[in-house]
Amino acid sequence: DTEVTQTPKHLVMGMTNKKSLKCEQHMGHRAMYWYKQKAKKPPELMFVYSYEKLSINESVPSRFSPECPNSSLLNLHLHALQPEDSALYLCASSQGGARNEQYFGPGTRLTVT
Amino acid sequence: AQSVAQPEDQVNVAEGNPLTVKCTYSVSGNPYLFWYVQYPNRGLQFLLKYITGDNLVKGSYGFEAEFNKSQTSFHLKKPSALVSDSALYFCAVRDDQYTGNQFYFGTGTSLTVIP
Repeated sequence: DTEVTQTPKHLVMGMTNKKSLKCEQHMGHRAMYWYKQKAKKPPELMFVYSYEKLSINESVPSRFSPECPNSSLLNLHLHALQPEDSALYLCASSQGGARNEQYFGPGTRLTVT
Repeated sequence: AQSVAQPEDQVNVAEGNPLTVKCTYSVSGNPYLFWYVQYPNRGLQFLLKYITGDNLVKGSYGFEAEFNKSQTSFHLKKPSALVSDSALYFCAVRDDQYTGNQFYFGTGTSLTVIP
């Protein structure tokens, strides 16, 4: 099973709302990632968790708050977003290490109004 | 430092013809190279990777890629294109001296297969 699941598939939120994106994998992977992707652009790394600890935070605004409750779950909490935050948010997981590929979820299409 | 370049934003090919999507890389050590495909409004799907060994790597959906160390390239190929191959393709790189978890993606190539 190489599946990464993400919920919800679509999310529309106002700039004052608080919402959360969820990601789950059951492949026993030790690294999990959040990416932001604009149309026809490569994914931009936001956060990396390794063994449930935050290892990379690519200077993401504090209105994005990641959480890794356990080795299978990854959340992204959203608060006071801006319209420019509208994008496809992708979760990925991997075994970790340079040789191993990442497996991506289908993404959450976020629209901030 | 690690980086990867995809020199073509757009590639068009007729159905049934061979296709090539180009990728060149720059790394400090020995490269680990990956290809991903993305269909509209979907996540990235892993196609294949080169770690070591045979320079011709075979992957999913009939795709293959050729590693060329002297030209620092890792071009994606398929002998006969299908309309369903139309998608966005990303090359990614790491190297064997890298101990982190980050991938370095190219800018992507949009492939259109014309019926």
